[in-house]
Amino acid sequence: NAGVTQTPKFQVLKTGQSMTLQCAQDMNHEYMSWYRQDPGMGLRLIHYSVGAGITDQGEVPNGYNVSRSTTEDFPLRLLSAAPSQTSVYFCASSYSGDRVSPLHFGNGTRLTVT
Amino acid sequence: ELKVEQNPLFLSMQEGKNYTIYCNYSTTSDRLYWYRQDPGKSLESLFVLLSNGAVKQEGRLMASLDTKARLSTLHITAAVHDLSATYFCAVADLYTGANSKLTFGKGITLSVRP
Repeated sequence: NAGVTQTPKFQVLKTGQSMTLQCAQDMNHEYMSWYRQDPGMGLRLIHYSVGAGITDQGEVPNGYNVSRSTTEDFPLRLLSAAPSQTSVYFCASSYSGDRVSPLHFGNGTRLTVT
Repeated sequence: ELKVEQNPLFLSMQEGKNYTIYCNYSTTSDRLYWYRQDPGKSLESLFVLLSNGAVKQEGRLMASLDTKARLSTLHITAAVHDLSATYFCAVADLYTGANSKLTFGKGITLSVRP
């Protein structure tokens, strides 16, 4: 199993450009989420989903959109990139039917907005 | 709003000595997770703690949970260089319940010196 796969690994954008960060998991997990990691800030939740067709906002949703049309995929869209969105982005998934299930993280996407 | 605090944020450890790090959270929860992150890498699940008094051990690491005090501790026995990393705790809000919606602390960076 590949687990949680994120693409791309690195990306440089200019202010105002748009892009989509891809996330796919092959573990049939219902729960998926996007976090951003900034130095000294830990991980902050952007958006999350408890199943296909269901998404909700996390702590820092502004500037980001998500959709969940399939169980496997949970893309994160930046509509108009800003320098404040320079960060490392992690996608994660977990199984909903087991309280002990931890989040499984992808390898991250390092985004720089100039 | 659920807040998670970790302290200290940085700890320099001497090889062979014992140390304890702490994770406090602000509201009722029934699940606490510990993760490890090596520089430039993703997060790896270490422990899931589900109930008051839960204790989990893996190698030189032992984690415990006191839900009444809203406190988890991670005890390190006889520190070795391989334990150098950043350690995050994360808490699930009792009332939202979703494993996809965790609140993370800022992380504690451990550095083991000879």
